[in-house]
Amino acid sequence: SQKIEQNSEALNIQEGKTATLTCNYTNYSPAYLQWYRQDPGRGPVFLLLIRENEKEKRKERLKVTFDTTLKQSLFHITASQPADSATYLCALPTEASGSARQLTFGSGTQLTVLP
Amino acid sequence: ETGVTQSPTHLIKTRGQQVTLRCSSQSGHNTVSWYQQALGQGPQFIFQYYREEENGRGNFPPRFSGLQFPNYSSELNVNALELDDSALYLCASSRTSGGENIQYFGAGTRLSVL
Repeated sequence: SQKIEQNSEALNIQEGKTATLTCNYTNYSPAYLQWYRQDPGRGPVFLLLIRENEKEKRKERLKVTFDTTLKQSLFHITASQPADSATYLCALPTEASGSARQLTFGSGTQLTVLP
Repeated sequence: ETGVTQSPTHLIKTRGQQVTLRCSSQSGHNTVSWYQQALGQGPQFIFQYYREEENGRGNFPPRFSGLQFPNYSSELNVNALELDDSALYLCASSRTSGGENIQYFGAGTRLSVL
């Protein structure tokens, strides 16, 4: 069966360090992968999309890699700040019943950046 | 902040009751998707509406139903509420059905079923 797994534990890191979050998937061949940020009591906010033919994507302090052989995406936050503390979700397109493509989300990794 | 608004923000119902949740999509978006998010889990796709028709559905029973209106706003209806329906319900709009499907989420409705 299809599965998406993210770092199972919460991740605590020191301010200024690089946070690395992992998203592993099985039995998918996604054309792209997305990352979202979710703060408590809020809906997820889209951060980055990386396509299957892209190895790496950057946006400011964020970097995403996508290894379709390993079936893994890594999400990096460099020079982390306490304001980066949130839950980060990865999402892949999968088939829904009907003509739509649905997004299937991982369970998320809760990141805490300590001052 | 996205332009997606949901109402109400919180709701308490009892088992067996029915509930309607509402969503206004972001300007320029014609597709609305609904998700259920249990505590500590990622959002789970319920269904999607495009041009006022349901065009995709996740693994949810028929007592979960919806509507989309000509202005692209949407409703989620849940009949015969069960305790396990307690969750955060998220609405997301996107520019169109298909494509790279970037979702713009509202803040959600927290539903508690007692």
